Amino acid sequence: AQKVTQAQTEISVVEKEDVTLDCVYETRDTTYYLFWYKQPPSGELVFLIRRNSFDEQNEISGRYSWNFQKSTSSFNFTITASQVVDSAVYFCALSESNTGNQFYFGTGTSLTVIP
Amino acid sequence: SQTIHQWPATLVQPVGSPLSLECTVEGTSNPNLYWYRQAAGRGLQLLFYSVGIGQISSEVPQNLSASRPQDRQFILSSKKLLLSDSGFYLCARSLNGGAANEQFFGPGTRLTVL
Repeated sequence: AQKVTQAQTEISVVEKEDVTLDCVYETRDTTYYLFWYKQPPSGELVFLIRRNSFDEQNEISGRYSWNFQKSTSSFNFTITASQVVDSAVYFCALSESNTGNQFYFGTGTSLTVIP
Repeated sequence: SQTIHQWPATLVQPVGSPLSLECTVEGTSNPNLYWYRQAAGRGLQLLFYSVGIGQISSEVPQNLSASRPQDRQFILSSKKLLLSDSGFYLCARSLNGGAANEQFFGPGTRLTVL
């Protein structure tokens, strides 16, 4: 079973629009961590954020914001006023306290921001 | 510096040929190291991880192998490549095996098997 689901395969938005990337996870652990990574065309994955299962406070970093809701097992990522440089593939990932070495990645969402 | 180097950046190899991809990490001692493959789609598949010199755990049975001869060196190998081995190979590190520690990725090696 897929532990991390990113149902949106591809999204296209026009520059300056807001866009939300969805991430739904599945785990039985009470302690777990959620991550978002950005993969630009160059290929290297860039770490964006980590959240632990005990902290549901939403986080904002510049144009980026994250909405963590345990009730719906979701960890969504919103880009406000999108820019062309935001075009990339975005991955959501899960790690569990019982299997610390294993990161479960979603299949990614390809975001294209059209100028 | 927590830089991760991967060599080579791109590689084209015939079916049946051997493979050796190298990953070296700067700055951190005793890191956890990982090899991932990203196939034609976009998903990341964990292949191997290592918690220390000579310690390798395999996540997926295949014709690939990994070795860690030095603390900051992680090598991915194959004796005979298959067409299905084509993909983008990413090396990653974390501070230790704890679930809380984010993984940082290298620039990747793009392998094409013909």
